[in-house]
Order: sequence, then C-alpha cells, then structure tokens
Amino acid sequence: NAGVTQTPKFQVLKTGQSMTLQCAQDMNHNSMYWYRQDPGMGLRLIYYSASEGTTDKGEVPNGYNVSRLNKREFSLRLESAAPSQTSVYFCASSENYPGLAGIETQYFGPGTRLLVL
Amino acid sequence: GESVGLHLPTLSVQEGDNSIINCAYSNSASDYFIWYKQESGKGPQFIIDIRSNMDKRQGQRVTVLLNKTVKHLSLQIAATQPGDSAVYFCAENSGNLGNQFYFGTGTSLTVIP
Repeated sequence: NAGVTQTPKFQVLKTGQSMTLQCAQDMNHNSMYWYRQDPGMGLRLIYYSASEGTTDKGEVPNGYNVSRLNKREFSLRLESAAPSQTSVYFCASSENYPGLAGIETQYFGPGTRLLVL
Repeated sequence: GESVGLHLPTLSVQEGDNSIINCAYSNSASDYFIWYKQESGKGPQFIIDIRSNMDKRQGQRVTVLLNKTVKHLSLQIAATQPGDSAVYFCAENSGNLGNQFYFGTGTSLTVIP
C-alpha cells in the first residue's frame, strides 16, 4: 500500500514550457486534491476532484488545468509555465470530500519540486 | 477569507522536554482541526485531529487543546525526541459542503540532543 504517489519528484522548466504532474492513490479514495506550498505561506488549494468525473477550482487555479483520469489518478497540467509557478506541489486524497456527512482527513504525497526559469 | 496562523515560526527544545506549538484561527464557524507534521523533503503527515465539540484530545505522546473562545489550538508533544524535528502546521475546516481546508504557515520545531 503505497498511499499517494507523485511523479516527477523534481522538474526544471523554462518559461512557456508545459508539463503534467502525475498523482495516483491506492486507498480507493473518492476525493483528490492539488496544493502548492510556497515559503512563508500555508498550503493553497489549486484544484480538487470531489469524486471521479468531477473537478473544481480551489483558491489559486489560474495557470493550471486538471484531469481526473480515473478513481486512482489526478493530474495537474501547466500549459505555459511561469516563474510564479515555481513551488512545491502536493497531491492529496481523502475518502470523501468534506461535507455534512463528516470531515475527511487528507493524506498527502511526497511532493513535486518545480523550478521555472 | 480564512486565516490560520501560527504564533511562532521556530521553536527549539531539548530532547526529553515537552513542546507546545500554537495555532490561531479566525473563522468562528470552523469545527474541525488537524495538526500535520512535515519533515524536510516530505509531504505533510497527519498527526491528530479534533472537532469543535471537544476541548482536548490525546494521542500517542501528543495532545491537542482547543479553545474556541479565543479561537486557538495547541499541539503538545511529550518527551520530545530528535525524530520530532519537523515543521508542524494546523489546518481547519468548517465542515460545510464544498468547504475547503485552510492551512497555517507552520512552526519549525528543532529538537536539541
């Protein structure tokens, strides 16, 4: 049981290049999330997928797109990378999305460190 | 918007001493809180959680205290060990459908052997 896995671990891009960050979870969770973590700031939600087949914007979605490929996989795409997107990106999953039925603890992957030059 | 913050950015403690890490939140509707531990180069790891209908919850060597009156929670680590060195941050959620978690910036704990 690997939990949440992310690839790649490190990436260097030039401004304007595109790339896709991959995330997979083997816990049969319904909900998945993408966060970015910047120095001096808390984790900020980029996009989330409450369930397979749905995606929604989070706090900082501009410049990103996502795809919930299946229940296990949730990818994050940068179509035209900018230096402001230099960050550490974390994928997370939870059994369900937080809601009236209860609160859901999120489990995080190891992160992808992205540098945009 | 939400704000979740920590009082101190760094904390150093002697091995064996108790550690206390604090967190303030501003949303009075928040009713669920989580403490995470993040070691260097790794993703956040769940430590302990607490709901707003509780004032205290204990885990293995960790205790979370919640004071809803002043919108403050703390994480207490007993008999701090070198392996406890990490960044600790809190997250809060109001539990409403569609609501997101909001994360604090973190406190860096260093355990001195």
